Amino acid sequence: DAGVIQSPRHEVTEMGQEVTLRCKPISGHDYLFWYRQTMMRGLELLIYFNNNVPIDDSGMPEDRFSAKMPNASFSTLKIQPSEPRDSAVYFCASSSGAAGNTIYFGEGSWLTVV
Amino acid sequence: AQSVTQLDSHVSVSEGTPVLLRCNYSSSYSPSLFWYVQHPNKGLQLLLKYTSAATLVKGINGFEAEFKKSETSFHLTKPSAHMSDAAEYFCVVSLSGSARQLTFGSGTQLTVLP
Repeated sequence: DAGVIQSPRHEVTEMGQEVTLRCKPISGHDYLFWYRQTMMRGLELLIYFNNNVPIDDSGMPEDRFSAKMPNASFSTLKIQPSEPRDSAVYFCASSSGAAGNTIYFGEGSWLTVV
Repeated sequence: AQSVTQLDSHVSVSEGTPVLLRCNYSSSYSPSLFWYVQHPNKGLQLLLKYTSAATLVKGINGFEAEFKKSETSFHLTKPSAHMSDAAEYFCVVSLSGSARQLTFGSGTQLTVLP
């Protein structure tokens, strides 16, 4: 299996611009997670989906952040407008109950907002 | 409620010497416990997991961890460190095996000296 695939791997954007991060989960996994990692706060769960439905978005920092999962093989995390404090590494991860609920992470999207 | 404490933020060892990364957890329920490794500019990779089977768990790259309920610990060990082991290591607790309720430790940075 190719694992969780994220794009872009690195993005530098100007404050105020829209940023879209993309994720393809492992085939057959029914849970998809978006995490954010910063030096100050460590790893934070932003939102997770089950069978393409958002279940818990309480970790989404504010209305500038939105996430969608239009089908089982694709999800996006959008930030609009972006701010310098959004600079972080964003990880997508997926899991399956049949796989023992172990979470598998993508390689991350390194976002810098200047 | 559940929590996980990694007792050392940084550990330095010489190549060829043993590695010990310490983790204590707190959980009201039977926990699942994981160790993940993150190499620079990479995503989190699963090293090993405990899910109430054998208390001594063997993982990849020669790592193992022992679940000790009486001490609420899940320390990660390796008999002989390699330079390639230099990375950040995260201890993770999952409430009753639920991937939706992971709690991450703050991480331990392992440095391997030549």
